[in-house]
Amino acid sequence: SQTIHQWPATLVQPVGSPLSLECTVEGTSNPNLYWYRQAAGRGLQLLFYSVGIGQISSEVPQNLSASRPQDRQFILSSKKLLLSDSGFYLCAWSVGFEYAQYFGPGTRLTVT
Amino acid sequence: GESVGLHLPTLSVQEGDNSIINCAYSNSASDYFIWYKQESGKGPQFIIDIRSNMDKRQGQRVTVLLNKTVKHLSLQIAATQPGDSAVYFCAENKGDTGRRALTFGSGTRLQVQP
Repeated sequence: SQTIHQWPATLVQPVGSPLSLECTVEGTSNPNLYWYRQAAGRGLQLLFYSVGIGQISSEVPQNLSASRPQDRQFILSSKKLLLSDSGFYLCAWSVGFEYAQYFGPGTRLTVT
Repeated sequence: GESVGLHLPTLSVQEGDNSIINCAYSNSASDYFIWYKQESGKGPQFIIDIRSNMDKRQGQRVTVLLNKTVKHLSLQIAATQPGDSAVYFCAENKGDTGRRALTFGSGTRLQVQP
């Protein structure tokens, strides 16, 4: 069966520091991968999606970036965090042309 | 854990009662809909989905109803249990055949009273 991992689970970082969040999927090949951010009291905002290695599409212009160095690995990065980057970051996967997405456990990021 | 939905609409039901959570969508091009359950501090969990060529789909204790005329989606949970307490999100695809992306609603908090 497929599983999705995210780490770290929680992170507290100062403003201006770099960020690297990692997501890996097991049990499937060539998944579509997604990064979402969820602010308190809000729904999920799509940040990036990827349909293959090295293929990244950005949905929202901001100081975040994403990379997909391996088929089942998706990384969310920032060179300099802003206070507004605080939130709950979720990685998700889907397969082929299916719409159903399956989420990881999330990373709670607090920028201080 | 993470507090999601501090100011969300809240539905409070008694344990054992049936729950109905509603969702309105805006895009008539949407042809795929999905419901997720999110417990505090966790990622959303897939519950059930439905395509626009159906108006009803049933799962274990859950039923999704789709009314395309009024662009309305509902999730019915039978015999609600304390473990059903969570925030529930609906999502639609907005007819997006390229990105396979979903657009999420803001969520409804379900509170089950023992």
